[in-house]
Amino acid sequence: EIVLTQSPGTLSLSPGERATLSCRASQSVSSSYLAWYQQKPGQAPRLLIYGASSRATGIPDRFSGSGSGTDFTLTISRLEPEDFAVYYCQQYGSSPPVYTFGQGTKLEIK
Amino acid sequence: QVQLQESGPGLVKPSETLSLTCAVSGYSISSGYSWGWIRQPPGKGLEWIANINHSGSTSYNPSLKSRVTISVDTSKNQFSLKLSSVTAADTAVYYCARCNWNYRHFDFWGQGTLVTVSS
Repeated sequence: EIVLTQSPGTLSLSPGERATLSCRASQSVSSSYLAWYQQKPGQAPRLLIYGASSRATGIPDRFSGSGSGTDFTLTISRLEPEDFAVYYCQQYGSSPPVYTFGQGTKLEIK
Repeated sequence: QVQLQESGPGLVKPSETLSLTCAVSGYSISSGYSWGWIRQPPGKGLEWIANINHSGSTSYNPSLKSRVTISVDTSKNQFSLKLSSVTAADTAVYYCARCNWNYRHFDFWGQGTLVTVSS
């Protein structure tokens, strides 16, 4: 079973700064099956990125995803106040058919 | 707009069976996609539980497989989760979500329902 490890656990930045979040897989992941979510307190997760680099509907272009194989990155180019939240990566592996989430990165205001 | 709404008891006794239903509106389950359950213990991360597609094909988290059953009722446009022999470790917010079949991500989510396991 593939394990996703996100780093850092907590990232402290100021509005306007650039955020870089990492998601590392224990074995190679299909880029088609790598997604990123944002979750704010008391809310359901919100899809940001799918297929490693495609933005979901309505997601601002300051959010971008990249990577392949075992290393994937979510970048927020210029942080807005509403971007401070917890971010999760998620992958799908077909043998066996399992969906796995990373443990999350908390992006907090510095 | 696709909307999902979880329903079920908020309190379940240890050793009993947790039963939840997800009502889908704005999209017909029988039209396609896959449908899943994900949970989140208080203060912790997300854990996938199970998926089912419109034809009833299922996949389960291996760590929960022996206790989980997912089913679909296309006539009511809803799908359900049963988790047996619950313990306090099963206390969590349970989310239902639609899963994109091509890219295997969850694009629409319910608001979540907190289920507490306690006597």
